[in-house]
Amino acid sequence: EADIYQTPRYLVIGTGKKITLECSQTMGHDKMYWYQQDPGMELHLIHYSYGVNSTEKGDLSSESTVSRIRTEHFPLTLESARPSHTSQYLCASSEFGGGASYEQYFGPGTRLTVT
Amino acid sequence: AQSVTQPDIHITVSEGASLELRCNYSYGATPYLFWYVQSPGQGLQLLLKYFSGDTLVQGIKGFEAEFKRSQSSFNLRKPSVHWSDAAEYFCAVGRNNNDMRFGAGTRLTVKP
Repeated sequence: EADIYQTPRYLVIGTGKKITLECSQTMGHDKMYWYQQDPGMELHLIHYSYGVNSTEKGDLSSESTVSRIRTEHFPLTLESARPSHTSQYLCASSEFGGGASYEQYFGPGTRLTVT
Repeated sequence: AQSVTQPDIHITVSEGASLELRCNYSYGATPYLFWYVQSPGQGLQLLLKYFSGDTLVQGIKGFEAEFKRSQSSFNLRKPSVHWSDAAEYFCAVGRNNNDMRFGAGTRLTVKP
């Protein structure tokens, strides 16, 4: 069973607010990822990390930022939320190495609505 | 460009009937291929994966998938669907976890 957690699960917030979506995993995985998921659309990778102090942007341009100060924690921050940020955000983790041979474990997601 | 196409947005099958979900991909080389399932309010869970070797792969929950190189396809099958299989199914391709391409998903409804 995957041990990857996301909080909050649902968030409704006004335009211009700063928000942080939390993601934690207890599996000791080095690699972590943030995906954006919209209905009827493919998942898009927006950030990933190889380990502590490593962060990279994914294929989808995003105004969010991430940090990786601890192995188990990979928070995503929006400095000023806008309605265009309304989406579901999925966090995932995997062991390092072997290309895609290591399974990605996904959290339950945070559904963000910006009004 | 790498891409994944799941032609069926929504499929409805009766409980006990067989199921096939289609997946076609475009990729420069033979990629690794995956099927994930997402139940409502949950994250994605890996059903099965293909790296090399036998083109028919078995997964969890009674699912299997067949890789057909000539058709660039990786279709998911199950001989007898259970009501608990109702969910959204995603096909994914890639060589590395940071270049994975996911399809838009197929939503499966199971009729009693």
